[in-house]
Amino acid sequence: GNSVTQMEGPVTLSEEAFLTINCTYTATGYPSLFWYVQYPGEGLQLLLKATKADDKGSNKGFEATYRKETTSFHLEKGSVQVSDSAVYFCALIYNNAGNMLTFGGGTRLMVKP
Amino acid sequence: NAGVTQTPKFQVLKTGQSMTLQCAQDMNHEYMSWYRQDPGMGLRLIHYSVGAGITDQGEVPNGYNVSRSTTEDFPLRLLSAAPSQTSVYFCASSSPKGLGEQYFGPGTRLTVT
Repeated sequence: GNSVTQMEGPVTLSEEAFLTINCTYTATGYPSLFWYVQYPGEGLQLLLKATKADDKGSNKGFEATYRKETTSFHLEKGSVQVSDSAVYFCALIYNNAGNMLTFGGGTRLMVKP
Repeated sequence: NAGVTQTPKFQVLKTGQSMTLQCAQDMNHEYMSWYRQDPGMGLRLIHYSVGAGITDQGEVPNGYNVSRSTTEDFPLRLLSAAPSQTSVYFCASSSPKGLGEQYFGPGTRLTVT
């Protein structure tokens, strides 16, 4: 079945540092890929997505490129802020019935002033 | 719009007790789902529904029941709680038009002693 592997956290960075959170996947075919973010005490929110190979999703300064040759969808941001402190989840579609998702284990990001 | 609402926010149960976690959405979304979140394991799909009267099992359905009598509501029932069901539970809804774009509720933190 489909699965997602993310780098383990926590990732601790200083403000304005460059961020990379690795994500690789195993799936049949070429699934759509997603990054979700969970701020403390809240539910998850969609951050960005890519629906086909070589697509780049972007939002709020975050970017991720769908690489089918390496089955990866790494999340990057050029300059992180304290407000980016959250847990980030990589995900793909669970099956063809509806929009249900298979998630990676999540990566906690902590940004220090 | 209230979005996706969940009640209660917190619950403590004794082993063997039963309870229902409530979930409602006011966005007229056809798809609804339940996930559980455990440390280091991301979110795992419990049950989902692609429309009123239609439900299906996800990745970890054992110990949980669902029904979908209306578009708005999707309750999750624990018939006989076990300590292994201690977790944070998230309900989500989505539209068939929004590929992978799920809207999450704030979560219910359940402890089974």
